[in-house]
Amino acid sequence: SAVISQKPSRDICQRGTSLTIQCQVDSQVTMMFWYRQQPGQSLTLIATANQGSEATYESGFVIDKFPISRPNLTFSTLTVSNMSPEDSSIYLCSGAFGGNTEAFFGQGTRLTVV
Amino acid sequence: AQSVAQPEDQVNVAEGNPLTVKCTYSVSGNPYLFWYVQYPNRGLQFLLKYITGDNLVKGSYGFEAEFNKSQTSFHLKKPSALVSDSALYFCAVRPVTGGGNKLTFGTGTQLKVEL
Repeated sequence: SAVISQKPSRDICQRGTSLTIQCQVDSQVTMMFWYRQQPGQSLTLIATANQGSEATYESGFVIDKFPISRPNLTFSTLTVSNMSPEDSSIYLCSGAFGGNTEAFFGQGTRLTVV
Repeated sequence: AQSVAQPEDQVNVAEGNPLTVKCTYSVSGNPYLFWYVQYPNRGLQFLLKYITGDNLVKGSYGFEAEFNKSQTSFHLKKPSALVSDSALYFCAVRPVTGGGNKLTFGTGTQLKVEL
């Protein structure tokens, strides 16, 4: 696998503002994903970050709310836009090499919107 | 569509006793199956996976899991639990073909190992 550095690790933000989360992998990966996790609960896939093109969003998630960039094979960002308290959650970045290899995860960003 | 069920929200076991965390899945075609562990305020750590071959797979920290195709299960086991095993455990599945390499996770099982 590889190592993912995700930052910030946590933040407290005012409603109506935006936060950008960064994810840096120590090697080139085929795929990168962004998940949301309520504390102690399961992971919900937000989108697949595609290198050099628009991300592929899951049902219930839209680009205007969660714009994603992936300029190269080692880096991606997720922005949570126009935040409300309902956006308070843990956001996780994941990478994978494809095939039968396992996905690996960043440490997560704990976001609190007040 | 693929899905994973972890029927137990919490499993309690005494240190030194064997533990089992249950997982059943649904997927089109053959599955890749994974177990991850999450400690408080941490990301997910990979424990083990089933891709093909031997139904009993061994992973990190003494954990193992048994793939049962007829029962569509992939239960996580450890012969002797440690207090340090206390954490949140997730089972995940994705199909061998199709699916865009997207994982589907279960709801998680909180394992509590007590002295």
